[in-house]
Amino acid sequence: EPEVTQTPSHQVTQMGQEVILRCVPISNHLYFYWYRQILGQKVEFLVSFYNNEISEKSEIFDDQFSVERPDGSNFTLKIRSTKLEDSAMYFCASSTRQGDPGKLFFGSGTQLSVL
Amino acid sequence: AQSVTQLGSHVSVSEGALVLLRCNYSSSVPPYLFWYVQYPNQGLQLLLKYTTGATLVKGINGFEAEFKKSETSFHLTKPSAHMSDAAEYFCAVSLDMGNKLVFGAGTILRVKS
Repeated sequence: EPEVTQTPSHQVTQMGQEVILRCVPISNHLYFYWYRQILGQKVEFLVSFYNNEISEKSEIFDDQFSVERPDGSNFTLKIRSTKLEDSAMYFCASSTRQGDPGKLFFGSGTQLSVL
Repeated sequence: AQSVTQLGSHVSVSEGALVLLRCNYSSSVPPYLFWYVQYPNQGLQLLLKYTTGATLVKGINGFEAEFKKSETSFHLTKPSAHMSDAAEYFCAVSLDMGNKLVFGAGTILRVKS
């Protein structure tokens, strides 16, 4: 079965450093998403991306965050200057189209620890 | 704004017993409702979804959920728990057919032998 792949599975960084979380969505999918889950809290929507631009973003997704689909296969989330509160599990997801309700395929996540 | 409340962060059942995981939502319009499961070191996997039509929906692995509008609930059930059901379960709601999901806090299900 096709799957969404995320790398690395764990990332440790120092506060103020830039991190890039990488995702390879399922190959024929067109819609891409990032969610995150801070330990002990709910999974939260960050951003959706379609046709090489952001479709929607949450309040969390401020100027420190950016997304990119650099080469037609990868989908990345960049945090420019990490803060302690950015420590969380980050999930990438993809889907074929808008009209397939809830059929998001999620990756296994990247655990980001900011020290 | 939509929100989701999952009652019980941890639920423990014996193998073969009924599984009941509770989910209540708040939404100003009829929502789309989902249950996801996360096994250790894996991503979120869709168990089942309610969009329109029949209020009792069946999903994978013998799970089902019933949409009760009057109670604003979407509880997840399985008649007989199996050890392999041990995982974390998330209820989620969306107004736009799944583009943006609002999740509950999750319920960790433990199955005792």
